[in-house]
Amino acid sequence: DAKTTQPTSMDCAEGRAANLPCNHSTISGNEYVYWYRQIHSQGPQYIIHGLKNNETNEMASLIITEDRKSSTLILPHATLRDTAVYYCINNPGDKLIFGTGTRLQVFP
Amino acid sequence: DAGVIQSPRHEVTEMGQEVTLRCKPISGHNSLFWYRQTMMRGLELLIYFNNNVPIDDSGMPEDRFSAKMPNASFSTLKIQPSEPRDSAVYFCASSLTGYGNYGYTFGSGTRLTVV
Repeated sequence: DAKTTQPTSMDCAEGRAANLPCNHSTISGNEYVYWYRQIHSQGPQYIIHGLKNNETNEMASLIITEDRKSSTLILPHATLRDTAVYYCINNPGDKLIFGTGTRLQVFP
Repeated sequence: DAGVIQSPRHEVTEMGQEVTLRCKPISGHNSLFWYRQTMMRGLELLIYFNNNVPIDDSGMPEDRFSAKMPNASFSTLKIQPSEPRDSAVYFCASSLTGYGNYGYTFGSGTRLTVV
């Protein structure tokens, strides 16, 4: 079963930062936090992952709290194309178990 | 790289028929995963392989489902006999594991409709 908790849905204005929270209070010391998104009718797309340090790539930034019990995915300048379901995942081992995710709607 | 390639993109079949879904992972990836997605159950992991060996098939719903990976560049998911409740989008994903933490790459999926 998924071990993360995310809000069901969020809205964000185009051009603004989208901050998507995730609780993973049962995470253990060697488990990474992964973020994926799924745009309608497409396969899930990897965004970013981290262990304990904040991470940034061309798509997003990942902020992980010091106790590692929660994290926030930041899309710095959301566009309409960022409308998707965003999944926060932490699982031991090599397999990813998806929860229900957050449906992000970016509006003009 | 062409990414993970799945075929067919769409499949419509009659109940009771055999269905075979195909997947070509990214060259060099050593793990392959089959997922099923429905509105009711979301994304479910069915089975995954590491170095062509099935590691965990606990998500396979029943004996009608079987998966094989005869070599590093090809995998199949077979449903025999198919039932209407098998209608879903089936995704294949591959990754490079055991050498650091890399993300999965998913294919575009096969939309299966059983009538």
